[in-house]
Amino acid sequence: DTEVTQTPKHLVMGMTNKKSLKCEQHMGHRAMYWYKQKAKKPPELMFVYSYEKLSINESVPSRFSPECPNSSLLNLHLHALQPEDSALYLCASSLQVGAMGNTIYFGEGSWLTVV
Amino acid sequence: GQNIDQPTEMTATEGAIVQINCTYQTSGFNGLFWYQQHAGEAPTFLSYNVLDGLEEKGRFSSFLSRSKGYSYLLLKELQMKDSASYLCAGFDRGSTLGRLYFGRGTQLTVWP
Repeated sequence: DTEVTQTPKHLVMGMTNKKSLKCEQHMGHRAMYWYKQKAKKPPELMFVYSYEKLSINESVPSRFSPECPNSSLLNLHLHALQPEDSALYLCASSLQVGAMGNTIYFGEGSWLTVV
Repeated sequence: GQNIDQPTEMTATEGAIVQINCTYQTSGFNGLFWYQQHAGEAPTFLSYNVLDGLEEKGRFSSFLSRSKGYSYLLLKELQMKDSASYLCAGFDRGSTLGRLYFGRGTQLTVWP
């Protein structure tokens, strides 16, 4: 089972709303990731959690706030977003961060539209 | 740092063979991934090379030459469902705690 589950699949929110994206994996992976992907562009790394601790923040604006409540769950809290933040948000996980042969598995993504 | 380059678009016919190339310039590089992404869907893992040579998985094969900074994905017996974007991604273990850097993707269109 190589499944990473994301909810919701689609989200429309206003610029003053607060919402959250959720991600779950039960593969025993200890590294979890958030990527952002705009149309016809490659995924761009936002955050990396390793053993439930934030290890990489790619200079993401503070209106995006990640949270890792436990080793299976990863959230992305959204507040005061801008229309240009509309994108596909991908959660991913891997056995560990930085290990050779460390395949990263992606969830199906959450399509976010900010109006 | 990472600088991964791959062609933007390719076309081929059903039943044919296509090779998608990927070149990179990097230090601290520890392997190369290939992902397939259909429109509107998430990337799915195809293959991973950490050593030089060819890795074969059914209709898909991937090759890596670390000295040349070069990889390719070979798709045989093409099917219509293979129409997708193919992303080359380099894994930099160095001091960056394992970032995966993606190329811009190659959009493959398979014609009947």
